[in-house]
Amino acid sequence: EPEVTQTPSHQVTQMGQEVILRCVPISNHLYFYWYRQILGQKVEFLVSFYNNEISEKSEIFDDQFSVERPDGSNFTLKIRSTKLEDSAMYFCAGRLYQETQYFGPGTRLLVL
Amino acid sequence: GENVEQHPSTLSVQEGDSAVIKCTYSDSASNYFPWYKQELGKGPQLIIDIRSNVGEKKDQRIAVTLNKTAKHFSLHITETQPEDSAVYFCAATGSTWGKSTFGDGTTLTVKP
Repeated sequence: EPEVTQTPSHQVTQMGQEVILRCVPISNHLYFYWYRQILGQKVEFLVSFYNNEISEKSEIFDDQFSVERPDGSNFTLKIRSTKLEDSAMYFCAGRLYQETQYFGPGTRLLVL
Repeated sequence: GENVEQHPSTLSVQEGDSAVIKCTYSDSASNYFPWYKQELGKGPQLIIDIRSNVGEKKDQRIAVTLNKTAKHFSLHITETQPEDSAVYFCAATGSTWGKSTFGDGTTLTVKP
């Protein structure tokens, strides 16, 4: 069964550094998402992406964040200048036409 | 925006007993309600979902009910097993682009 993959599984970075989190969604999916989960808290929506552009974003998704799908398979989340509060688990998700979203295993980001 | 409240935050049951987790949502435009199981270090995995035109759905030991008028939905797990122990999240989806708003999660512990 196809699944969503994310790399790296863990990333440690210094405050102010740029990080890129990578996701390979299921190949025929059309809608893509990034969510984050701060340790012990709920999963929070960051951004949705369709037809190579952002379709919706949350107030968390400020100018420090960007997403792109550079080659039709990878879907990336970039944080330009990381802050301590960006430490969280980041999940990529995707779907076809129906509402069901399929989540990846996540990338645990730790900002020191 | 949408707000989802989930209760209880922790639930401990004996193996074989039933478990019920309840969620309420605020946005009457929400029309799709998935439930996810999250095991330690993994991404949310869909276990069951319900659409707003349906009042109840069952899949083996798992069932979900939806009351659109009251804006609440519940997860029922019967004949619980130790492997059901995990964090369970409800979510509400209603935007055109499929943004999901999650509840705070319920940590279910099934004691053998």
